[in-house]
Amino acid sequence: GQQLNQSPQSMFIQEGEDVSMNCTSSSIFNTWLWYKQDPGEGPVLLIALYKAGELTSNGRLTAQFGITRKDSFLNISASIPSDVGIYFCAGTNFGNEKLTFGTGTRLTIIP
Amino acid sequence: NAGVTQTPKFQVLKTGQSMTLQCAQDMNHNSMYWYRQDPGMGLRLIYYSASEGTTDKGEVPNGYNVSRLNKREFSLRLESAAPSQTSVYFCASSAGGAGSYEQYFGPGTRLTVT
Repeated sequence: GQQLNQSPQSMFIQEGEDVSMNCTSSSIFNTWLWYKQDPGEGPVLLIALYKAGELTSNGRLTAQFGITRKDSFLNISASIPSDVGIYFCAGTNFGNEKLTFGTGTRLTIIP
Repeated sequence: NAGVTQTPKFQVLKTGQSMTLQCAQDMNHNSMYWYRQDPGMGLRLIYYSASEGTTDKGEVPNGYNVSRLNKREFSLRLESAAPSQTSVYFCASSAGGAGSYEQYFGPGTRLTVT
């Protein structure tokens, strides 16, 4: 099945740094979702995007729906230890109940 | 409001044994889903149910059966477990219908088949 490509696959940053990650697809989506998964837990929805070019924030997190509809971006500002985890993107189209998930970006904070 | 709950949290089975994973949601959602998550593979859809009384295959349905018992509950059954089914299983739900694609996940069931 199709999976979305996320990059980078992993990131090692210091506390306080800003983080950028992206998700790309070979096909167009009209809905993009971003999830975070803590170790041993289920994914938690962070941000949902429904319109091309849309920029949405949730606290220190900001996500953008790419103009081409084939990509999406997630930025985290001033990272803190609780930001550690795996970030997944997911896409779908109107009328499709199923999500296509990305392969994940693992974020680690170096002390 | 517990969201999506799953039982059990952990399970160890021997090859050939059967078991049922339980999932319930209290958000009055129409759609429910079962995923498996393996290292490096991300989340893969096993089965989903768009409404009470309907179920459909996802990407990896072989070796599994599901039952949408009512609007709240969606169970996943392994009739004859195999080591390849060792994985973490997640249940999710969404409101469903136009404009409601946000899925909410349970805490997962960690299954080991020896």
